[in-house]
Amino acid sequence: GQNIDQPTEMTATEGAIVQINCTYQTSGFNGLFWYQQHAGEAPTFLSYNVLDGLEEKGRFSSFLSRSKGYSYLLLKELKLKDSASYLCALLDSNYQLIWGAGTKLIIKP
Amino acid sequence: GAVVSQHPSWVICKSGTSVKIECRSLDFQATTMFWYRQFPKQSLMLMATSNEGSKATYEQGVEKDKFLINHASLTLSTLTVTSAHPEDSSFYICSAREGGQVEEQFFGPGTRLTVL
Repeated sequence: GQNIDQPTEMTATEGAIVQINCTYQTSGFNGLFWYQQHAGEAPTFLSYNVLDGLEEKGRFSSFLSRSKGYSYLLLKELKLKDSASYLCALLDSNYQLIWGAGTKLIIKP
Repeated sequence: GAVVSQHPSWVICKSGTSVKIECRSLDFQATTMFWYRQFPKQSLMLMATSNEGSKATYEQGVEKDKFLINHASLTLSTLTVTSAHPEDSSFYICSAREGGQVEEQFFGPGTRLTVL
């Protein structure tokens, strides 16, 4: 079966850096996504990793280690508007998304 | 970028009535569409996967006779919640995958359903 774990909630300060971790167990793997979801809205795509390493895209970076079943999303220069839920999702062997429960990130001034 | 729309964005209905939600891919052909449901403070739960021109594949525990899915064209899928009850109140989100692109799904803005 598949299992995805990420922290339920994190708090950080405006202007700081925060790392949201995601660990997973799966028998089939075709990549890992990070999505941002503001309350009452649909998820929006942030990143997709299928190979090991770090992918940087502006203030957001995503890292993947397939051997460790581990990914993280790194957010730099935090803004108040970054307050949202961040969802880790893996693409399984059938190319279906398996979703984590999401990490609620609270940014304080 | 690829855009997916949903209509309506919100709907309030009486218990026992049926509600139809439309999901459209606006600038690409979606061979596969996904329907999700999300309860407050919970993650997305996949309800069903539909491929254009064929019957939808429902996840375990999802009643196919209650949640009717039609994917009649490459740009439109509909979800009909039949005989809705208050426990069906939720945020329904569709996503679409372009033919030949197996990775990324593009999400619609979601439909908030409230059943009184």
